[in-house]
Amino acid sequence: LAKTTQPISMDSYEGQEVNITCSHNNIATNDYITWYQQFPSQGPRFIIQGYKTKVTNEVASLFIPADRKSSTLSLPRVSLSDTAVYYCLARGGGSARQLTFGSGTQLTVLP
Amino acid sequence: DGGITQSPKYLFRKEGQNVTLSCEQNLNHDAMYWYRQDPGQGLRLIYYSQIVNDFQKGDIAEGYSVSREKKESFPLTVTSAQKNPTAFYLCASSSRRNQETQYFGPGTRLLVL
Repeated sequence: LAKTTQPISMDSYEGQEVNITCSHNNIATNDYITWYQQFPSQGPRFIIQGYKTKVTNEVASLFIPADRKSSTLSLPRVSLSDTAVYYCLARGGGSARQLTFGSGTQLTVLP
Repeated sequence: DGGITQSPKYLFRKEGQNVTLSCEQNLNHDAMYWYRQDPGQGLRLIYYSQIVNDFQKGDIAEGYSVSREKKESFPLTVTSAQKNPTAFYLCASSSRRNQETQYFGPGTRLLVL
């Protein structure tokens, strides 16, 4: 299985940029790394997905180094409504190709 | 409206009782998944199915059973063998080509009486 590791929690202030890193060893070489956002008592929601280098959409950027052993979700200018848990998702390499969610990072945005 | 639905929103189980959680999707997705989430914890995979009439165990399948008789439906039964079933259960679906992009339902919260 791929083991994905994220910081348990992070605090930030409104308007700041937030970077959340996920470490993933033994992930598949040809599959996406995906990030999700989850609010309390709701299902996770897709944020962004990438394979390598940098991907940007209207809400976030995703940085993936060449060795793909980690990925960093970047949220520009966070607001109070970005307070949520953020998960990375990756597929294990080798014969264990099961998808594994990270343990999640609780982001708290302060006024 | 395309989407994935789960019912009921809350479910109460008595000791020794089997209960079934419903999950339906109209996204025409081949793959479907069941996750369990305990308070303050991440998502753990119970079962997944990549095609009709086929499914595989995830990390915590003991005490659970599933069926996949129709593409749109992937019900989860929590059996009496699951001794600690109280949790938030999430169903998701995806295409087979991109299983990393999963669409989640609103969840079912299961409580034991």
